Amino acid sequence: QVQLQESGPGLVKPSQTLSLTCTVSGGSISSGSYYWSWIRQPAGKGLEWIGRIYTSGSTNYNPSLKSRVTISVDTSKNQFSLKLSSVTAADTAVYYCARDLSGAGGGPHFDYWGQGTLVTVSS
Amino acid sequence: QSALTQPASVSGSPGQSITISCTGTSSDVGSYNLVSWYQQHPGKAPKLMIYEGSKRPSGVSNRFSGSKSGNTASLTISGLQAEDEADYYCCSYAGSSTFETVFGGGTKLTVL
Repeated sequence: QVQLQESGPGLVKPSQTLSLTCTVSGGSISSGSYYWSWIRQPAGKGLEWIGRIYTSGSTNYNPSLKSRVTISVDTSKNQFSLKLSSVTAADTAVYYCARDLSGAGGGPHFDYWGQGTLVTVSS
Repeated sequence: QSALTQPASVSGSPGQSITISCTGTSSDVGSYNLVSWYQQHPGKAPKLMIYEGSKRPSGVSNRFSGSKSGNTASLTISGLQAEDEADYYCCSYAGSSTFETVFGGGTKLTVL
């Protein structure tokens, strides 16, 4: 059973960089034709896709966040990571990592999710 | 990249059927039958209920079904149960030539 777990600081100061890591267990991050995505959800609001990475390192980002987002993968640690720079209060949200079955002719869909981690941007 | 349009809320009584719509454009929802749907209970991570328009993952009740007509995808829940009360989100590619992904604004389902 694949499991994902987000980790990282729960509080980030405005203008700094938010950094989160997702650790995948129960399977190799490199096995299968999977992408790995980050998705966020401000309190009381809907889901927003942030971006995805393939284990080759190929990435795809939400255009509205692209200038501030970097997603990377470390296959040796079975992890992938999110960095979001120049954060403001609007970036306060629960951040989820998810296994992403996009591509290969199919539509975007996320079958395994982490439990989510709340990141608050505040001084 | 615009969010897909969903009704803010729908409701139904136990045993009834309800349908949640997800309206996009000819560039996203209308291009393919590739919409996915997610159920989210308060404080929990979303759960995949439907993918590629109408396919159900293993373990998801056959009371959940997906369809599409034109630029609108729909999620139908039949035989409503109390535990179906949750938020539901649709998801699609943002355009016919892009890999970027967009979610709907979400629909709160209330079981009366």
